Amino acid sequence: QLQLQASGPGLVRPSETLSLTCAVSGGSISIGSFHWGWIRQPPGKGLEWIGNVFYRGSTYYNSSLKSRITISVDTSKNQFSLELGSVTAADTAVYYCARFFGLGPFDLWGQGTLVTVSS
Amino acid sequence: QPVLTQSSSASASLGSSVKLTCTLSSAQSTYIIAWHQLQPGKAPRYLMKVEGSGSYTKGSGVPDRFSGSSSGADRYLIISNLQSEDEADYYCETWDSNTHKMFGGGTKLTVL
Repeated sequence: QLQLQASGPGLVRPSETLSLTCAVSGGSISIGSFHWGWIRQPPGKGLEWIGNVFYRGSTYYNSSLKSRITISVDTSKNQFSLELGSVTAADTAVYYCARFFGLGPFDLWGQGTLVTVSS
Repeated sequence: QPVLTQSSSASASLGSSVKLTCTLSSAQSTYIIAWHQLQPGKAPRYLMKVEGSGSYTKGSGVPDRFSGSSSGADRYLIISNLQSEDEADYYCETWDSNTHKMFGGGTKLTVL
């Protein structure tokens, strides 16, 4: 059974780069038309889509974050990653990784990881 | 880019039914949406996708108490025979042809 697990530093300093990894277990990240995405939820707020990556490397980003985001995939490690640069307190959130097929909904989510931006 | 509108909160009694609404912007009134359940300390759970026709497809293991429907730009999540474990935040999601995603603001469901 496929599972996703996000991980990374729980604390990031302002102006630095937030780096998270989502490990995919129980199946290959390279299968078929699956895409892999990042979503976040700031404390007390709703979900915000960050961006997606296809295993071949094509990416789609939220336009409001595009200038600060890089999402990449490492098929050899069966994982995908998020880098968010120049972070501020507004980037404090629970970050989730998830999967979707083709033009469809996120159908499998990982447990979120809380990232706090603070000095 | 599509916009999704949800009521911020809803409540219903144990054993009753509740209907949550996700409204698409008029230009995207035919879009498919999905419903997700978020509970503290748990991974979000995909519940179902709902099409403009009213047909819905549930995710694996989603109880029969959960169903979906549609009317115009509105997409519904109906929960029958409410249980205490249904108390959660419910979000709708949609996407465009470039896989750009959008979420509604979420509805906090309280089971009385």
